Amino acid sequence: AQRVTQPEKLLSVFKGAPVELKCNYSYSGSPELFWYVQYSRQRLQLLLRHISRESIKGFTADLNKGETSFHLKKPFAQEEDSAMYYCARNQAGTALIFGKGTTLSVSS
Amino acid sequence: EAQVTQNPRYLITVTGKKLTVTCSQNMNHEYMSWYRQDPGLGLRQIYYSMNVEVTDKGDVPEGYKVSRKEKRNFPLILESPSPNQTSLYFCASSLDMMYGYTFGSGTRLTVV
Repeated sequence: AQRVTQPEKLLSVFKGAPVELKCNYSYSGSPELFWYVQYSRQRLQLLLRHISRESIKGFTADLNKGETSFHLKKPFAQEEDSAMYYCARNQAGTALIFGKGTTLSVSS
Repeated sequence: EAQVTQNPRYLITVTGKKLTVTCSQNMNHEYMSWYRQDPGLGLRQIYYSMNVEVTDKGDVPEGYKVSRKEKRNFPLILESPSPNQTSLYFCASSLDMMYGYTFGSGTRLTVV
């Protein structure tokens, strides 16, 4: 079965510090990967998709097929970035499989 | 406004009393799905649907039923709820999975 692994349950950083949220996926052809963000138990919101190669709210993510990774990065964390972040992949065009999520806590 | 609407937002019920959580989308999306979110377990898929009358089990389908009689609606049915189904439930829809899902606001269910 295809899997998405987020190895960190919690990541705590100070405001202005760089952030890297890790995501690894089980190898399977050409994956379609996503990052979602959830603020304070609200609905999940799509943050970015690897196929669009865009930057949203200063976050970027690069697909590394050699390392089967899709880490989320931001050079300077802001307090408003504190949230739960989920990595997900498209499973055979039918649904999304999610990792267990990483809580990002940014303190001043 | 394009959205996925779930009702109710909060529900407290007793063990064994049948309930339905409704989900509706106004974006003419083909794909719809139900997830439950539990601390430490992330989002786990319950059921998904690729079109009208086409549904399939996700990772945790036991104790749940769904139906897709119309494209816009995808209700989640708990025939005999149990306390281990206490959770936060999300409905989601998509035009094409390459774009990812749009999520509803969630339904917090407590079964006592």
